[in-house]
Amino acid sequence: QTVVTQEPSLSVSPGGTVTFTCGLRSGSVSSSAYPSWYQQTPGQAPRPLIHNTNSRSSGVSDRFSGSILGNKAALTITGAQADDESEYHCVLYMGSGLWMFGGGTKLTVL
Amino acid sequence: QLQLQESGPGLVKSSETLSLTCTVSGGSISNSNYFWSWIRQPPGEGLEWIATIYYTGKTYYTPSLKSRVTISVDTSKNQFSLKLNSLTATDTAVYYCARHPSGSGFDIWGQGTMVTVSS
Repeated sequence: QTVVTQEPSLSVSPGGTVTFTCGLRSGSVSSSAYPSWYQQTPGQAPRPLIHNTNSRSSGVSDRFSGSILGNKAALTITGAQADDESEYHCVLYMGSGLWMFGGGTKLTVL
Repeated sequence: QLQLQESGPGLVKSSETLSLTCTVSGGSISNSNYFWSWIRQPPGEGLEWIATIYYTGKTYYTPSLKSRVTISVDTSKNQFSLKLNSLTATDTAVYYCARHPSGSGFDIWGQGTMVTVSS
């Protein structure tokens, strides 16, 4: 069964840089999977951050950037701030109209 | 701007069928550039894509739920709907409706509706 992998948790110091990854248990992620990233705080709907690998959604700070790193999609936050502390989700297009989310990464800013 | 709003019962009984509706406002569900989806999130867990529909009625389902799920569209009401049958406690979740452009991820989300399956 195809599984989308994300780090369960990450931490970053205020002002620092952190990179999240989104991979496949078997195989590589490419731009043809239209990797997208979402930020979610408790009780709120996911907020779109990045779509199609590296396109920022409307209103998203340029501190957030997307890329392909090796065989995974990646989300990088630079200049981390306290309110970046959230859950981050990725989703990949698996083909034939099917999508799959990763398990999410909880970011702590400390 | 375009908005999505989920509606449906907050509490349903085990073995019954869940029916949810997503109302699209500020734009047309018949816009050929977009697809319409349901996504859920059990308490404390990650997101799960359930199903997608195009305004023509073309449907796509996640394999693990395909036998229990039906997604449909009503272009006259600018709505799309989800039916999930044979409910169990594991179907307890926040259910979101969302839009995605062709060849891109989910760009607009509803606020979500919590559904609890009781025995």
